[in-house]
Amino acid sequence: GAGVSQSPSNKVTEKGKDVELRCDPISGHTALYWYRQSLGQGLEFLIYFQGNSAPDKSGLPSDRFSAERTGGSVSTLTIQRTQQEDSAVYLCASNPTGGLSGYTFGSGTRLTVV
Amino acid sequence: AQSVTQLDSHVSVSEGTPVLLRCNYSSSYSPSLFWYVQHPNKGLQLLLKYTSAATLVKGINGFEAEFKKSETSFHLTKPSAHMSDAAEYFCVVSGSGNTPLVFGKGTRLSVIA
Repeated sequence: GAGVSQSPSNKVTEKGKDVELRCDPISGHTALYWYRQSLGQGLEFLIYFQGNSAPDKSGLPSDRFSAERTGGSVSTLTIQRTQQEDSAVYLCASNPTGGLSGYTFGSGTRLTVV
Repeated sequence: AQSVTQLDSHVSVSEGTPVLLRCNYSSSYSPSLFWYVQHPNKGLQLLLKYTSAATLVKGINGFEAEFKKSETSFHLTKPSAHMSDAAEYFCVVSGSGNTPLVFGKGTRLSVIA
């Protein structure tokens, strides 16, 4: 596609429920990143996929968070047993090969846990 | 490891006056540096990037930044602020290869009429 597409744009969920956030990167981009932006904070790195390599999961805050990328394209970020502190904007970005050319970000999913 | 420090959480300027948003970085490698802008309820947009070419980098909307290795700085400037420049600005550093970008905490720019 022309840009990075994320869905849903907004999600309100009850504490304890599981949620899935979707990212559709730019076609042909091999690198895909998930970040989290909490109110008043910068962007916090969560996980990174590069081609067929094992993902870099070093930023995931707990084992309730997981992500997969199927067929080297669409990615899903799953948060299990959501907590109020998970409320944030979750941003996805893609890049042709790696960091030096800069990322193209999606508009994000605003997650609110009530 | 890479890190960035944005020295001001909030900067307020009058329309038509210069803008200076300060950023210092730390990197074990020769860094690539970026500035991103985020307007209210909008996505992140790349303003400019430095990737070891010219140290003075020009970006969109009249912004520019100068890479100063001796000062480990990458400050963002604009000669004359416009109301539409009001937004959150992020200084970003990348290390080698595919290491994820590391973002500063952001500087909120307000422009007063």
